[in-house]
Amino acid sequence: DAKTTQPNSMESNEEEPVHLPCNHSTISGTDYIHWYRQLPSQGPEYVIHGLTSNVNNRMASLAIAEDRKSSTLILHRATLRDAAVYYCILAARVDNYGQNFVFGPGTRLSVLP
Amino acid sequence: DAGVTQSPTHLIKTRGQQVTLRCSPISGHKSVSWYQQVLGQGPQFIFQYYEKEERGRGNFPDRFSARQFPNYSSELNVNALLLGDSALYLCASSWGTATTEAFFGQGTRLTVV
Repeated sequence: DAKTTQPNSMESNEEEPVHLPCNHSTISGTDYIHWYRQLPSQGPEYVIHGLTSNVNNRMASLAIAEDRKSSTLILHRATLRDAAVYYCILAARVDNYGQNFVFGPGTRLSVLP
Repeated sequence: DAGVTQSPTHLIKTRGQQVTLRCSPISGHKSVSWYQQVLGQGPQFIFQYYEKEERGRGNFPDRFSARQFPNYSSELNVNALLLGDSALYLCASSWGTATTEAFFGQGTRLTVV
């Protein structure tokens, strides 16, 4: 299974941008990069995903390195509600209807007021 | 719209017993995946079902089994419970491919005593 490496924890100040890094040096050409976050006592929540190009949505931006061996999740203005564990996942495209997420330990983001 | 619903929310069982957990996916989604999350760790993939067929299986013993019904809801069964099976069991609903996001339920907290 493809693996990702993330820092165990990070801190940010409220209303400042946050850059959450992820290394995935063994990524294959068809692996999609997904980010999920998990608040305490809740199931994981989808944040963003992409393949090669940078992606933006209302929650965050995903910057993917040209060699695809790393990516960065960008929260443009952190709020206290963004405090969570953030997971970077490689989703292997097994076939047209396969979805198998391999979660690592994730990065625990703390947001300071 | 209703999200992914799981039942029950909490459950206490004795070692050696059997348990059945239930999941109803988002309307229109044909894929259901099951994950086990032990305290302090990321979720671990157990099964994926798409159109009532098993599409993926994680590294779990045969005591774990699942099925998907014609209405796409799913059950996860665990036989001969061990203390180590105590965890949060998460269900994820999606269109079923690596290119799409998954939506997780709140989970079932299973405690084996």
